[in-house]
Amino acid sequence: TQLLEQSPQFLSIQEGENLTVYCNSSSVFSSLQWYRQEPGEGPVLLVTVVTGGEVKKLKRLTFQFGDARKDSSLHITAAQTGDTGLYLCAGEEAAGNKLTFGGGTRVLVKP
Amino acid sequence: KAGVTQTPRYLIKTRGQQVTLSCSPISGHRSVSWYQQTPGQGLQFLFEYFSETQRNKGNFPGRFSGRQFSNSRSEMNVSTLELGDSALYLCASSSAARQGSVTQYFGPGTRLLVL
Repeated sequence: TQLLEQSPQFLSIQEGENLTVYCNSSSVFSSLQWYRQEPGEGPVLLVTVVTGGEVKKLKRLTFQFGDARKDSSLHITAAQTGDTGLYLCAGEEAAGNKLTFGGGTRVLVKP
Repeated sequence: KAGVTQTPRYLIKTRGQQVTLSCSPISGHRSVSWYQQTPGQGLQFLFEYFSETQRNKGNFPGRFSGRQFSNSRSEMNVSTLELGDSALYLCASSSAARQGSVTQYFGPGTRLLVL
């Protein structure tokens, strides 16, 4: 069974600060996805990274996939209150549409 | 395009009962996956259906079953409910004809409470 560990579990910061969330595994995934989930909603895909060493930027969010395709990070620059939510990483196994999710990082950005 | 819809949104059942949850995928999507989300275990994959066939299965007991209809709508059934089945059940659809590297779009979930 492939496992994904996210850290930290909870992060509370002030608006304008930066934050980084980590997602680590001992297994290789064909791709790694980051989602954000808000209360009462399903997860919404932010980005998919496929190539080892890949870096993707989405406005103030920067996503990195490790060279060995086992780990990833999400960095938010100058966080805003709208960034508050549960951030989930998910690894896709080569075998199919089966996502293995990390435990999630709950981010609270205070005004 | 309408998103993934799930019904009902909330459900209360008692131990021993059974429950059926419904998911309507995005129009044109033929793959539907089901996930269980709990505070303790996080999001866990239940199963995936494509063209009315179960294509992938997670590590859940046989009390959890599903099916998919010819219009791609899917249902999930849980029999002999246990307290631990209380969770948010999420459905996700994708257009994948072949497996792998596809975007899955999640519905808002059905929150099930077992008393």
